[in-house]
Amino acid sequence: SQTIHQWPATLVQPVGSPLSLECTVEGTSNPNLYWYRQAAGRGLQLLFYSVGIGQISSEVPQNLSASRPQDRQFILSSKKLLLSDSGFYLCAWSRPPNTEAFFGQGTRLTVV
Amino acid sequence: DQQVKQNSPSLSVQEGRISILNCDYTNSMFDYFLWYKKYPAEGPTFLISISSIKDKNEDGRFTVFLNKSAKHLSLHIVPSQPGDSAVYFCAASTGGFKTIFGAGTRLFVKA
Repeated sequence: SQTIHQWPATLVQPVGSPLSLECTVEGTSNPNLYWYRQAAGRGLQLLFYSVGIGQISSEVPQNLSASRPQDRQFILSSKKLLLSDSGFYLCAWSRPPNTEAFFGQGTRLTVV
Repeated sequence: DQQVKQNSPSLSVQEGRISILNCDYTNSMFDYFLWYKKYPAEGPTFLISISSIKDKNEDGRFTVFLNKSAKHLSLHIVPSQPGDSAVYFCAASTGGFKTIFGAGTRLFVKA
């Protein structure tokens, strides 16, 4: 069966510090991978998606970036965090041609 | 630009009764619609979906209805159970890839 791991579960970082959130998927190959953010009281905002190694599409211009160094690994990064980067970050995968996405447990990021 | 809207932030229903969660969308190019359920501090879990070529899809206690002319879909849960209490997200996709989510509706099922 397929599983998705996302870590850490919670993170408190000072403004201006770097960020690295990692997500890995097991039990499938060549998945589509996604990073979403849920701000307080808001829906899920698609940040990045990837259809393959090294292929990243950005949906929202911001100071975040994503990378896919391996088929089942997706990393969300920032060089300098802003207060507005606080939120609940979710990694997800889907298996084309299916649209249903499977989410990780999420990372609660608080920038202080 | 909210392409997927869930106008009710919360809904309270008695156990055993029907829960109806609504969702409106603006993009006529959406061809696939999904509902996800989310508990606090967890990722959403897929619940049920419907293709734009259908107007109804049923899975146990959950039924999704799609009205393309009104650009409206709804999720019916019957009978509602206390374990159904969660946040429900409506989502829509074009071509099976970029999925746009609504803001969510928090459902409370009272015992």
